[in-house]
Parts: sequence; structure tokens; C-alpha cells
Amino acid sequence: EDQVTQSPEALRLQEGESSSLNCSYTVSGLRGLFWYRQDPGKGPEFLFTLYSAGEEKEKERLKATLTKKESFLHITAPKPEDSATYLCAVDNNNDMRFGAGTRLTVKP
Amino acid sequence: DAGVIQSPRHEVTEMGQEVTLRCKLISGHNSLFWYRQTMMRGLELLIYFNNNVPIDDSGMPEDRFSAKMPNASFSTLKIQPSEPRDSAVYFCASSFRGRGQPQHFGDGTRLSIL
Repeated sequence: EDQVTQSPEALRLQEGESSSLNCSYTVSGLRGLFWYRQDPGKGPEFLFTLYSAGEEKEKERLKATLTKKESFLHITAPKPEDSATYLCAVDNNNDMRFGAGTRLTVKP
Repeated sequence: DAGVIQSPRHEVTEMGQEVTLRCKLISGHNSLFWYRQTMMRGLELLIYFNNNVPIDDSGMPEDRFSAKMPNASFSTLKIQPSEPRDSAVYFCASSFRGRGQPQHFGDGTRLSIL
């Protein structure tokens, strides 16, 4: 069965403390892996799309990487405004499936 | 440019009533997605349209749910009759050319069925 698993469920960091979020997947026929950010009371906001193993994308303090089994979202020197829930989604030949998300809190 | 617009933002109604959620796509986008988000099940894709045609409705939970695109810029999701277990946040999203492209989400409708 296709699955998308994100870890950890919640992560608390001090401002400036770099870390990584994980998204592991077991799907056949990956067409794309997406990262979104969701703030409370808002819809998810698109961050990155990765299409093939070895691909990397960067935006400000965020960097997303992809292997054949998982993706990482690296956060370098986070700031309090990076606090949000980060969702990954996998698009394969059958459907599009979201992970449960990682709730990130960055303390000043 | 305006983003995806959903209405209403909040809806509280009694079990058995008909509920209609509305969504306006971003101009120029031709793919439309309806999602449901709950604490227990996370974000689930309900139905996906491309060029006003439903492509995949395998996520629609029951016949009580129906979705339409009467034109290229507007969609409705209807629940009739509504049940308490339908309580959730419903999002619509649009993209340019299909499911494999970045989706732009509205801010959702928080639906409570009493």
C-alpha cells in the first residue's frame, strides 16, 4: 500500500539551531514530491517540487533533497517566523497522498 | 493577482441539512482539487478536475458528496444530507496543467455539522 510518513511529528528548535525534517514514502511510479508549509487557519503554501533522486532545491533558509525512498527538508539557522506545519505530498500514477506533517516551533 | 477564494470561511449547520462550499480558481489555472483535512486523517484528496472534467473522484467518501465545475473558474462541493462526521476543514486548490504541478490552496472552509 502506498504510504507517506513524516517525522518527527513535532520539533522544537531554538532560533539559529539547524535541523532536518524527513518524509519517507513507499509508492510506485513517483511523478513528483512536493513540500508545503501550512500556518494555522490557512491553506498549505507551496515550497518545492522534486522529481528525481538526487535533485535539490533551495529557498532562503530551506533546502529540499530527494532520494529513492525519502526526502529531507533542511532548515538552516531557523527564525521564529519559520514556525509552521510542514507537509510533504507524493504524486504517483494512482493518486496524490499527503503526509501527516511536522509541526515546527522555533523559539527566539 | 488574487489567489484561490473559498466561501464561506465558516459554516455551522445541523445534521441532515444541505451544505454547499464554493471555490474560485486562480485566473489561467485549469486544474481544480478539493481536499478535506481532519486531525485523524490529515489532508485527503477528494476529487480532481482538469479543464472542467472530473478526472479522479476516488476520494469522494460517499454519494452524499458531489462536486461540479459549471465553468472554468468556479467550483462547488455539495454535501446532502450532511452528517456530524463530515465536520472538517475543506480546501480547494488550483494549478496550471494538472496534478503534477504546484497547487495553490485557498484558506479553507471550516465546516461543523451539529
